[in-house]
Amino acid sequence: AQKITQTQPGMFVQEKEAVTLDCTYDTSDPSYGLFWYKQPSSGEMIFLIYQGSYDQQNATEGRYSLNFQKARKSANLVISASQLGDSAMYFCAMREGTGAGSYQLTFGKGTKLSVIP
Amino acid sequence: DTGVSQDPRHKITKRGQNVTFRCDPISEHNRLYWYRQTLGQGPEFLTYFQNEAQLEKSRLLSDRFSAERPKGSFSTLEIQRTEQGDSAMYLCASSLSGGPYYEQYFGPGTRLTVT
Repeated sequence: AQKITQTQPGMFVQEKEAVTLDCTYDTSDPSYGLFWYKQPSSGEMIFLIYQGSYDQQNATEGRYSLNFQKARKSANLVISASQLGDSAMYFCAMREGTGAGSYQLTFGKGTKLSVIP
Repeated sequence: DTGVSQDPRHKITKRGQNVTFRCDPISEHNRLYWYRQTLGQGPEFLTYFQNEAQLEKSRLLSDRFSAERPKGSFSTLEIQRTEQGDSAMYLCASSLSGGPYYEQYFGPGTRLTVT
C-alpha cells in the first residue's frame, strides 16, 4: 500500500484564489511527522510546512496552512492568495517513528499546481 | 548560510561508465541524506549519514552504488557500471540533529542521463 497518496496529478487555480492540495497517509506508528515541499522547475525541493502527529493545532506558515485530520489520515495543504510564483510541483512526505531508522522521508507522487493570471 | 550544494548539476555518461556526485551540506548539519527522483515520481530515499557513519541504506541502493562521508562534512555518491535505469535526479539533503522535527534542506540535485 502507498504510504503517501496524492490523488491530484494536476491542479489549476486563479491568481489570488485559495487552493487545497490533497494528501492522505498510511502508518501504524503513533509518532510521525508530515511535511510539504515545493519543487519549482529548477528542481530544488523547498520546505514549506510541517505537522507532527501529536500537534494539537493545524500548522501555519504565512500563506500556507495544513488541514490535519488525524482520524481520516489526511494532511491537506492550503495555499491562500495564490501567486504566479506558486506554480510548481508540490510533494507531501512523511517521517515515521522517532528511532534511529526514522529519519528518511517517504514522498508522494506530487501534484502539479498551475496558477492562472 | 550557503545552503546545500551539489556538483555537478548535470552529468551525461555512457552505459557502463562510473560516475561520482558530490554533496556539500549546510555547515552545521550533521545529518546527510541521498534521494533519487525519477520522472513523474517523488524522491525515494537511498541512504543516510549521521556525521561520518552511514546508518541506513535503502534496498534501492544496489551493490553498484556506494556512498561515503569521510570526515562528516561533504559526501560522495558513486555509481559503478551505470545502466540506463540509473537515469534520474539525485538529490542530497541535510538536517540538524535534535531539531524539533528534523526538517531536511535539499540541494539543487544532480541530473544523471545514461545513454
